[in-house]
Order: sequence, then C-alpha cells, then structure tokens
Amino acid sequence: EPEVTQTPSHQVTQMGQEVILRCVPISNHLYFYWYRQILGQKVEFLVSFYNNEISEKSEIFDDQFSVERPDGSNFTLKIRSTKLEDSAMYFCASSRLAAEQFFGPGTRLTVL
Amino acid sequence: QQQVKQSPQSLIVQKGGISIINCAYENTAFDYFPWYQQFPGKGPALLIAIRPDVSEKKEGRFTISFNKSAKQFSLHIMDSQPGDSATYFCAASTRDTGNQFYFGTGTSLTVIP
Repeated sequence: EPEVTQTPSHQVTQMGQEVILRCVPISNHLYFYWYRQILGQKVEFLVSFYNNEISEKSEIFDDQFSVERPDGSNFTLKIRSTKLEDSAMYFCASSRLAAEQFFGPGTRLTVL
Repeated sequence: QQQVKQSPQSLIVQKGGISIINCAYENTAFDYFPWYQQFPGKGPALLIAIRPDVSEKKEGRFTISFNKSAKQFSLHIMDSQPGDSATYFCAASTRDTGNQFYFGTGTSLTVIP
C-alpha cells in the first residue's frame, strides 16, 4: 500500500539555523500539505500546495517558512532561521482528488 | 478561534465497552469530517470519514454519528480493545480537495483489559 514518507525522522538544530524537511507524497497525489504538532497539542495546518504553488497557508506559515516541489517526487518544507518555538513534529500529507489526506510518519524537529 | 471543539480530553474504557468521542463545529461550510487515529510517535492515520448528507457511517467497530442541525459529530468505538488505545482527532474541512483540515484537540483513549 502506498504511503507518504518523510526524512529525517528526527532533526536537531541550533536556533537560527536553516532546516529542510523532506517528504515523498503518494505518487499519484496532486495536493500536498504540511502540518505541525507541538508536543501534546493538536495538529495545526501550515500550508497546502497544488499545481506548483501555495493554495492556502495559515498564520503560522510566515516569511521564515517556504515550500518547494523541486522534482516530481519530493516536497520540502524549509525553515529559514529556526526558533525555539519551532520545535514540533512536522507532518507531510497528500491527497489525490478526494478529501482524504494521508499523513506521513512525521519529522521531529528539536531546536536548541 | 477554535473551529472544532473535541471532548473529552481523555477517556478510559473497559475492554469490550463502547468509547464515545464528541466534536462540535461552528462553520456551516464544513462538508467533510474525518476521524484520525494516532499512536505515539506516528502520524495520524485516517480511520473513518463522513459527509453531511448522511447521519451515520459504520465501518467495522467504528461508527460516526452526524447531527447537522446541532453541528455535532461523534465517533463510537464498539467492543473497544486494548489495541484501540491511541489519541483520536476529529477534523473538518470545507472543500473536497486542497483545503486545510481543522483538527480538534484530541482525545487520549485508554482501553483497559
């Protein structure tokens, strides 16, 4: 069964450093998403991406964040200058035409 | 602004019992209501979903009840098993595709043998 994959599973970085989180969505899916989950809290939407452009973004997704689909398979989230409060689990999700979003296993980002 | 409210925050159920988790929403434009199951250290996994044109959907031991007039929906887990112990999130979205999910705050379910 196809699944969304994410790398790395855990990323530790120093405050102010740039990080890139990588995702490989399910191959025939057209819509891609990033969510985050701070420990013990609910899952929060960051951004959705379709047809090589952002279709929607939340207030969390400020100028420090960017997304890219550099090739036909990868979908990346870049945080330009990490802050302590960026520490969270980051989930990538994808969907085809239906509303069902399939989530990856997540990347745990720890900012020191 | 909390788009989707979920209760209870935690739930302990005996094996074989019924687990009930409730969600309420405000935005009448929501037209897709999924439930996700999340185990520690894993991503949310789609469990079951419903659209507002039906009042109930059942898949195995899992049932969603939907009350459009009250703007509420709930997840019922029949014959709860210890393997069902996880965090459950309800969510809602407004369009078929490409739109964000608004998640509830989650319910930690523990099923005791």
